[in-house]
Amino acid sequence: DAMVIQNPRYQVTQFGKPVTLSCSQTLNHNVMYWYQQKSSQAPKLLFHYYDKDFNNEADTPDNFQSRRPNTSFCFLDIRSPGLGDAAMYLCATSRGEGTATYEQYFGPGTRLTVT
Amino acid sequence: DAKTTQPTSMDCAEGRAANLPCNHSTISGNEYVYWYRQIHSQGPQYIIHGLKNNETNEMASLIITEDRKSSTLILPHATLRDTAVYYCIVREYSGYALNFGKGTSLLVTP
Repeated sequence: DAMVIQNPRYQVTQFGKPVTLSCSQTLNHNVMYWYQQKSSQAPKLLFHYYDKDFNNEADTPDNFQSRRPNTSFCFLDIRSPGLGDAAMYLCATSRGEGTATYEQYFGPGTRLTVT
Repeated sequence: DAKTTQPTSMDCAEGRAANLPCNHSTISGNEYVYWYRQIHSQGPQYIIHGLKNNETNEMASLIITEDRKSSTLILPHATLRDTAVYYCIVREYSGYALNFGKGTSLLVTP
């Protein structure tokens, strides 16, 4: 009965080599989020989709992009990973109504290693 | 979103109640108190939230003081699986980011 699924759980990529992380959900939530969590730090929001509308956090580097082809799936693309991008990447979903968003449900995360 | 203050760490014996405090003295009238936890190497997990009334669900109880400046998350019978970092977050329904802060690292011991 997995609700937010992230694949792969572990990803190793080379410095500068593009990488894509995926997230899918069975909750039919209209809002999907991507957070970055570096070692011993709290998760930090990178961006979110409210329906088809993409919303970037002000300090998210241009190196990070996202795609949401349909309600169920969302992708995180890192165009040229640097060593500093090694982290756990967390996908979350929530219900959104008008300007309100409700509790967020997280996937297990993808741990990215950059060599 | 209002700032929260939590103890860095707490211990609790297995089977006993774990009471996790949170101060949010600058909370505004339309801000809710949310609790999430993160077990090591897993994604955060939503636990409970409330506005001003006490709330209870299958995981925990949330007690909010009458002036809403502090709250306590209660795990009534802690198990080893409850060992995690617990985050108290204050936010309105509008807005998107969860500002996790530093949280409380709860260790449940046998």
